[in-house]
Amino acid sequence: GAVVSQHPSWVICKSGTSVKIECRSLDFQATTMFWYRQFPKQSLMLMATSNEGSKATYEQGVEKDKFLINHASLTLSTLTVTSAHPEDSSFYICSAPFQGGRFRSDTQYFGPGTRLTVL
Amino acid sequence: AQSVTQLDSHVSVSEGTPVLLRCNYSSSYSPSLFWYVQHPNKGLQLLLKYTSAATLVKGINGFEAEFKKSETSFHLTKPSAHMSDAAEYFCVVKDNAGNMLTFGGGTRLMVKP
Repeated sequence: GAVVSQHPSWVICKSGTSVKIECRSLDFQATTMFWYRQFPKQSLMLMATSNEGSKATYEQGVEKDKFLINHASLTLSTLTVTSAHPEDSSFYICSAPFQGGRFRSDTQYFGPGTRLTVL
Repeated sequence: AQSVTQLDSHVSVSEGTPVLLRCNYSSSYSPSLFWYVQHPNKGLQLLLKYTSAATLVKGINGFEAEFKKSETSFHLTKPSAHMSDAAEYFCVVKDNAGNMLTFGGGTRLMVKP
């Protein structure tokens, strides 16, 4: 089946630094990937849609300059949290759509998530 | 616009008894509906999906869900709970005009021995 990986799985950084999170589709190509954040005991909230070869589309209320997204290739999207602050601490999850496998038609496959802790 | 409501934030059952996790949705289009499971410190895993074929959908690990358009519901069931089923479950709706997913608030399933 389709596999989506994220790196790193856990990162701790000081306030004011920037953190880059990678999302890779390991055995399929994805022209579109999605970034979510999940606060403890809450549901996932869509942050942005990453588009290969063009600008990302951000959801309302998400700061474009703070959460930089680059979809460099058909298998890699990166999310950079710039000048991170403690309130940015969260669980960041990416997903990519894939057709095929057990569920055949277009299905979103999720990465395992990246836990960001900003001190 | 689309939305998903999971009616119970927590469900507790005894091992071997049936599981019912409730989900209601609203969508302007004919939606695709999904159930995902998230185990602690693990990624989201797709349990099953509905895409306008059979209204009763069978998924992995013995779970199934029934799409009821008249009730705008997509409840998840399993005849007999197992300890390993303890996890967070998310009902998700996808706008068929695109790839956007909308998540319900999640239901934490606890299974007692």
